[in-house]
Amino acid sequence: DSGVTQTPKHLITATGQRVTLRCSPRSGDLSVYWYQQSLDQGLQFLIQYYNGEERAKGNILERFSAQQFPDLHSELNLSSLELGDSALYFCASSVPGGAVNTGELFFGEGSRLTVL
Amino acid sequence: GNSVTQMEGPVTLSEEAFLTINCTYTATGYPSLFWYVQYPGEGLQLLLKATKADDKGSNKGFEATYRKETTSFHLEKGSVQVSDSAVYFCALSVEGGSYIPTFGRGTSLIVHP
Repeated sequence: DSGVTQTPKHLITATGQRVTLRCSPRSGDLSVYWYQQSLDQGLQFLIQYYNGEERAKGNILERFSAQQFPDLHSELNLSSLELGDSALYFCASSVPGGAVNTGELFFGEGSRLTVL
Repeated sequence: GNSVTQMEGPVTLSEEAFLTINCTYTATGYPSLFWYVQYPGEGLQLLLKATKADDKGSNKGFEATYRKETTSFHLEKGSVQVSDSAVYFCALSVEGGSYIPTFGRGTSLIVHP
């Protein structure tokens, strides 16, 4: 158990809809990362938050957005969903307060999104 | 930019066979190198890491040596087990840039009894 919790584990929805994925990082970790894993693209970095502020952006579509709340949990919002958005979305956390960031991440079990 | 290239899978072996999964990288700066493992239905978890040249990371019988001269970090295990069946990801992160790890595409390992 990594200590990172993601909900829901599975989600099935239709094209054009909007969903929210939730992540609770390990206790004390300040950074949250979102990744998308698909068969054709591999593991793609979407966005990172550190202590409530956006720190880095990767290949995140404009239809997607995220935020990190004061209690450090994070949500990834996916809107106007398309078939190609079907994937496994991972949240990861790192950097306990005061520690040096070594690049090691702790992953949740993922949220599998299916868009029909 | 930073990138990681892994050998394509699946790699299929019999139990007790020797395993090598190749990984090479390009990086702007001096990276730390990682191997993560993803078991079926689970998230990625760190298997081993190395932070400087010639360091050897090891865990659960797996080893990888940070080779700066060949920009490689190949994963090896002397005798694989069925329980090692998983997807293995090579990754790097560079100081600065928020330490965002860059992952390879992953290599699936299937071990038969």
